[in-house]
Amino acid sequence: KAGVTQTPRYLIKTRGQQVTLSCSPISGHRSVSWYQQTPGQGLQFLFEYFSETQRNKGNFPGRFSGRQFSNSRSEMNVSTLELGDSALYLCASSLVLGTNHGYTFGSGTRLTVV
Amino acid sequence: GIQVEQSPPDLILQEGANSTLRCNFSDSVNNLQWFHQNPWGQLINLFYIPSGTKQNGRLSATTVATERYSLLYISSSQTTDSGVYFCAVGPNRDDKIIFGKGTRLHILP
Repeated sequence: KAGVTQTPRYLIKTRGQQVTLSCSPISGHRSVSWYQQTPGQGLQFLFEYFSETQRNKGNFPGRFSGRQFSNSRSEMNVSTLELGDSALYLCASSLVLGTNHGYTFGSGTRLTVV
Repeated sequence: GIQVEQSPPDLILQEGANSTLRCNFSDSVNNLQWFHQNPWGQLINLFYIPSGTKQNGRLSATTVATERYSLLYISSSQTTDSGVYFCAVGPNRDDKIIFGKGTRLHILP
């Protein structure tokens, strides 16, 4: 079965712009989580969605938001981009919320803000 | 919140060598996973191992939940094993998954 699909793979934006990233989970998976990875901070949890509802949120400013659709696909949006938002954004899907079954990650979207 | 520490931070080995990577965590956890991040950024799930021992080919992992640590063993290393290995715990009481900083492994041919 297909894995977790993230689009686009690479993105270059300028400061002040906004960006939307997409994540399609494994078929049948209902939970989608987002992570930001930077060399300085490592992998940090952004938020988790289940059944179209945000169930958990990390310590990121309100410029970072997301949503989940009825087919479990998720998008995350970053508004008013800052240079420090340059990072690899990873999405993970799992069968259920708070899973005991493990998470599967996508290949990520590498965002560069100039 | 829960702290996850991985050691060593960096490891350089010759092809064919064995290695042990360690993950310590500061609180009891229900879930623990080991991931390998390849040079292209892809995080590959190696083991889901909240307790006990599992093996998959040249890789094996052991988690001793009562002592709050997990070990990842790589035997007969190959250059394709290079990359960063992450340990991740949770979701815990705060419903978040916490990643360690990773161990960067470089296998020399």
